[in-house]
Amino acid sequence: QQPVQSPQAVILREGEDAVINCSSSKALYSVHWYRQKHGEAPVFLMILLKGGEQMRHEKISASFNEKKQQSSLYLTASQLSYSGTYFCGTEILGGTSYGKLTFGQGTILTVHP
Amino acid sequence: DAGVIQSPRHEVTEMGQEVTLRCKPISGHDYLFWYRQTMMRGLELLIYFNNNVPIDDSGMPEDRFSAKMPNASFSTLKIQPSEPRDSAVYFCASSHGNQPQHFGDGTRLSIL
Repeated sequence: QQPVQSPQAVILREGEDAVINCSSSKALYSVHWYRQKHGEAPVFLMILLKGGEQMRHEKISASFNEKKQQSSLYLTASQLSYSGTYFCGTEILGGTSYGKLTFGQGTILTVHP
Repeated sequence: DAGVIQSPRHEVTEMGQEVTLRCKPISGHDYLFWYRQTMMRGLELLIYFNNNVPIDDSGMPEDRFSAKMPNASFSTLKIQPSEPRDSAVYFCASSHGNQPQHFGDGTRLSIL
């Protein structure tokens, strides 16, 4: 099943913070976060693994709550360059799905000056 | 290092024609993925390969779609016959194990 992202869209002023959530109905091994700018390919941001630590990429960080099968992406002091669509990709724990990601529907982030 | 290379970047063709999309993964990557992206359905996994062997093709829409990976450095996605509803951006991605997937620039396909 496709993970559910919230919110669907968020509009910020430069310097403001935002949180994007990703929730799955299945037990997860990992959560991957990607950002896609209009007309471009998705670009990898970070991976969160089961049992792993919170990750950080510049002023973007993320957490993974294994018990709740949820991950959150935190964007701090947003910059214009943060604008784009953010996707979470989930890898299910166990089974034969090693390496396979199912992507959420995306969250559109717009940062204004 | 070269990233994932897809060709063509754009394809416009008429309904009923055969379409072939090509992908060269990053050298050393053992997983290759084909995705389709549309506004309505988002980013969908069509099929993926491990060491050139198809692992999961449950996302392939129907028999009109087929994918091959004859060697570690080349894969094709073929649509025959094509239909207007196949219009989308098709991405190829590769990875080493369950490490980050690296996406190609995509093929923007329009079926008239």
